[in-house]
Amino acid sequence: NAGVTQTPKFRVLKTGQSMTLLCAQDMNHEYMYWYRQDPGMGLRLIHYSVGEGTTAKGEVPDGYNVSRLKKQNFLLGLESAAPSQTSVYFCASSLNGRAYEQYFGPGTRLTVT
Amino acid sequence: DAKTTQPTSMDCAEGRAANLPCNHSTISGNEYVYWYRQIHSQGPQYIIHGLKNNETNEMASLIITEDRKSSTLILPHATLRDTAVYYCIDGSSNTGKLIFGQGTTLQVKP
Repeated sequence: NAGVTQTPKFRVLKTGQSMTLLCAQDMNHEYMYWYRQDPGMGLRLIHYSVGEGTTAKGEVPDGYNVSRLKKQNFLLGLESAAPSQTSVYFCASSLNGRAYEQYFGPGTRLTVT
Repeated sequence: DAKTTQPTSMDCAEGRAANLPCNHSTISGNEYVYWYRQIHSQGPQYIIHGLKNNETNEMASLIITEDRKSSTLILPHATLRDTAVYYCIDGSSNTGKLIFGQGTTLQVKP
């Protein structure tokens, strides 16, 4: 059981470039989440999904898009990266009915120059 | 913004109990208290949660005051590996929308 995995682990982008972060979970969880964490700060929810084919906005959704085409995968896209999106991105998943017990991936460290 | 308040940092001697306080004075009747921790550079890890009764699991104990306006997470025998940022979060049980504040940095010292 790999749990929650994230690809890539590190990435450097130039302003205006686009990229997609991939989150995969093998626990058959219905709910999945994307957070960002800036230095010295707590995590902030970007988008989340309560099931395959559904997505919803979190606290800080602007500048990001997401898709959940398969239950096990949750993609986070940056269409035109900005330096303000430099952050560590964490993906998490949870069971429906136990949404408070989230399992987190190892994170993706993104730098936008 | 986070609705809970926690001390910024705390120290604890290895082998002693670590008691981490949290104030959640605006918690509503159906909202739970959740605790997570984040060891340096890793993703957060769920520890425990409670509504109004005290709770215990293999990692920690959670003591919630009778008026539910505050709680304490207890690590009974802290080890160096318990050094982490501990987050206290309040919220509805099934929305999944956890709002993380800045947490308490617990430093366990030899």
